[in-house]
Order: sequence, then structure tokens, then C-alpha cells
Amino acid sequence: DAGITQSPRHKVTETGTPVTLRCHQTENHRYMYWYRQDPGHGLRLIHYSYGVKDTDKGEVSDGYSVSRSKTEDFLLTLESATSSQTSVYFCANSEMSNQPQHFGDGTRLSIL
Amino acid sequence: GDSVTQMEGPVTLSEEAFLTINCTYTATGYPSLFWYVQYPGEGLQLLLKATKADDKGSNKGFEATYRKETTSFHLEKGSVQVSDSAVYFCALSDIPQGAQKLVFGQGTRLTINP
Repeated sequence: DAGITQSPRHKVTETGTPVTLRCHQTENHRYMYWYRQDPGHGLRLIHYSYGVKDTDKGEVSDGYSVSRSKTEDFLLTLESATSSQTSVYFCANSEMSNQPQHFGDGTRLSIL
Repeated sequence: GDSVTQMEGPVTLSEEAFLTINCTYTATGYPSLFWYVQYPGEGLQLLLKATKADDKGSNKGFEATYRKETTSFHLEKGSVQVSDSAVYFCALSDIPQGAQKLVFGQGTRLTINP
């Protein structure tokens, strides 16, 4: 992949707890994205960033927040996790808005 | 809103068979179209793309042609291998010539038997 590391790779937590997923890129790509993957839905965009401190909502942003204080890191936070947020989360980046996105290996999150 | 519909899987073929995975889309603008592939335990990898009508994307023996008149972007390969077993996703970008805000189909799981 294009130098994306997601952490943790697996996490199990309880309903109501806060959860933060980290996406780190080794490039200086401007655009970064968070998706969730669920059976029958493909991938759906949660939030994306078009620069440091510049973020926007995607299709399924309710219950999620993001932050990007450095070019290389894009954090996804579930303030109070719910069972419906059990999913596999993928981070992606792209150098320019018209360039294809490159994906990390995903974080499998289970909320009990 | 924009949407992508793929043929339902799973699809099981024998090695050296011909592959077609259908993909149709609905978009208000003039989208760019993509095929991504996901191998077990990995993230998605771009397989091929097309940015305007009648463009043909190709990679690793796979091809897809952007058909505006039928709003389709079907994936084809003439002779599949066991190593092609994966999940395939069709996607569009709602920014002309762009790649932001990808909208994905539900994915098609392909299994190739030796």
C-alpha cells in the first residue's frame, strides 16, 4: 500500500466507551479518508480531510468525529461507542483530489 | 444520490474461465469509475480506473470500459487464475475527474477453483 499504517488492527470494547482509531501516513498526501466496511454495503465514507485542520463529513458521519493536527495523522473517534459501530474501518489517502485513493489494511472493531 | 450496483456474489469459476462482474451506476454528474480488489485480510487496492466515456481501464489482464449510454463499467478477464480469488468492488467518484468521496458497490466475492 501507499505507506498507511492503521492502529490498532483489532479492538474489542464495550458499549458507551470512547474509542480512537489512528491512521498514519508516511507520505505528505493532502487528502485522507475514513471508511467503514459492512456486509452488503461495501465501503461507506465517514469523514475525510483535505488538509491540516480541514475536514468534512461523509455519508455516515453520525456518531463519529475526526481530527487532523498533523499532515501524517488522521484520527477517528467514537465518543460513546454503540454496537451498530461494530465494523471494519479503513483509512485511505490520496495525493491530489483527482488521484486514486490508497488504503490501509483496516481495523476490526467489535463493540459488545 | 449517487449509487453503484454490482452483481451479487459469490461467484465461483474454474481456472482459465472467462470472468464478467457487472457494475452499473447512478450519478447526477459525470463520475470517474474504479475497480478495487481486496485480498483476504488486506485493504483495497486499485485495480483499474476510467475517467471519461469510452475509456478502457486495464491492469493484470482485467479490463473495464466506461459506457455512459448504459451507465455501466463491467469488469472482464479472459482467463482467471486461482490467485484472482478476492472481493471486487466497483466505485465511482462524484467529482468529475476527481477521486474524493468514493461511492462503492457492495462487493462481489470471487473464488477460482484449480
